[in-house]
Amino acid sequence: DAGVTQSPTHLIKTRGQHVTLRCSPISGHKSVSWYQQVLGQGPQFIFQYYEKEERGRGNFPDRFSARQFPNYSSELNVNALLLGDSALYLCASSTEQGAWGYTFGSGTRLTVV
Amino acid sequence: AQSVTQLDSQVPVFEEAPVELRCNYSSSVSVYLFWYVQYPNQGLQLLLKYLSGSTLVESINGFEAEFNKSQTSFHLRKPSVHISDTAEYFCAVNTGFQKLVFGTGTRLLVSP
Repeated sequence: DAGVTQSPTHLIKTRGQHVTLRCSPISGHKSVSWYQQVLGQGPQFIFQYYEKEERGRGNFPDRFSARQFPNYSSELNVNALLLGDSALYLCASSTEQGAWGYTFGSGTRLTVV
Repeated sequence: AQSVTQLDSQVPVFEEAPVELRCNYSSSVSVYLFWYVQYPNQGLQLLLKYLSGSTLVESINGFEAEFNKSQTSFHLRKPSVHISDTAEYFCAVNTGFQKLVFGTGTRLLVSP
């Protein structure tokens, strides 16, 4: 079975632009979570979606938004990009709402210039 | 609120030597504890986890960690490391739902 798939793997954006990151969970997984990992730090929780509903939100500004589709894939959107948004964005999926069964993808490396 | 402290940002060690990566957490409720490993330019891989039961948990590649409630610790150990163990290791805590709270990571550097 395929693991958690994220696209694109890398991208470069300019300050003020908008970006969309995509995540396909493992088949059968209904929960998708997003984390931001700034260089040299641990991942920080952004969102969790379970059965297409937002079930948790971290301490991130409203420029960050996400959604989950009927096939359980997910998109993370970031508007009005800042230099500080440069990070590795990780998606994790699990069968349940709890975070004890996460499988992480390889991430999308976003660079804002 | 939960928090995780990884006391060492970097741990250099020689191949075949033992290693311990330290992790302390703070939480007022029961917790689940995790160790993840991250190789360069890759995502996170689950190494081992404590949910309940035996306080000593083991991974398939020789790592082990012991949940110590009184010390609020979950240190990671390996009796003999390999060059291939060179990576970033993250300790994380979860109180049952939604999110993991990660430490800042410990870079394990194994040299010949």
